[in-house]
Amino acid sequence: DGGITQSPKYLFRKEGQNVTLSCEQNLNHDAMYWYRQDPGQGLRLIYYSQIVNDFQKGDIAEGYSVSREKKESFPLTVTSAQKNPTAFYLCASSPPRRTEAFFGQGTRLTVV
Amino acid sequence: ELKVEQNPLFLSMQEGKNYTIYCNYSTTSDRLYWYRQDPGKSLESLFVLLSNGAVKQEGRLMASLDTKARLSTLHITAAVHDLSATYFCAVTGETSGSRLTFGEGTQLTVNP
Repeated sequence: DGGITQSPKYLFRKEGQNVTLSCEQNLNHDAMYWYRQDPGQGLRLIYYSQIVNDFQKGDIAEGYSVSREKKESFPLTVTSAQKNPTAFYLCASSPPRRTEAFFGQGTRLTVV
Repeated sequence: ELKVEQNPLFLSMQEGKNYTIYCNYSTTSDRLYWYRQDPGKSLESLFVLLSNGAVKQEGRLMASLDTKARLSTLHITAAVHDLSATYFCAVTGETSGSRLTFGEGTQLTVNP
């Protein structure tokens, strides 16, 4: 079945570590997005990519990095520079012409 | 900067009652989305509203859009417990592609 797969579902990070969240889609969508959700809040855009080998910062990019080497994959690295990384991270993708975004099941990251 | 405000943020209602959630946005938008989120889960798409006066209904939920007032409503008719969830509205700007700007969400609890 076509869809967006995020892994892992739960992730624990020690202080000072970098961690990478995986997002893979087989929908042949050009655009991919990473959003962060804090408890009781809406989603905020971290990074987005509209084509392979190109990506732009969203509203809260500090402390995060991404790559887009393949159309299917858009991994997010949470670096040690991100001071408060505990959150729920959602990946999304969308086809051309600004139609609806489809969301993965999310990764819950906790700093221990 | 595109901003989205929802109210109320918390809503507790009895089964069988009607209520409306409001979503205001700050600048011209070309489409508006309503999503449902259950605790610990990803977003489930409910409605996409594309034009002024658009109205969509699914079961006990009905969404409408007034682009002149920059206002969307999500009306709940004869609420049931299964509707308990958090509801988000989100908009895309005319130049933002499929990048979504979310409201804070309305946490709905339907009591027996």
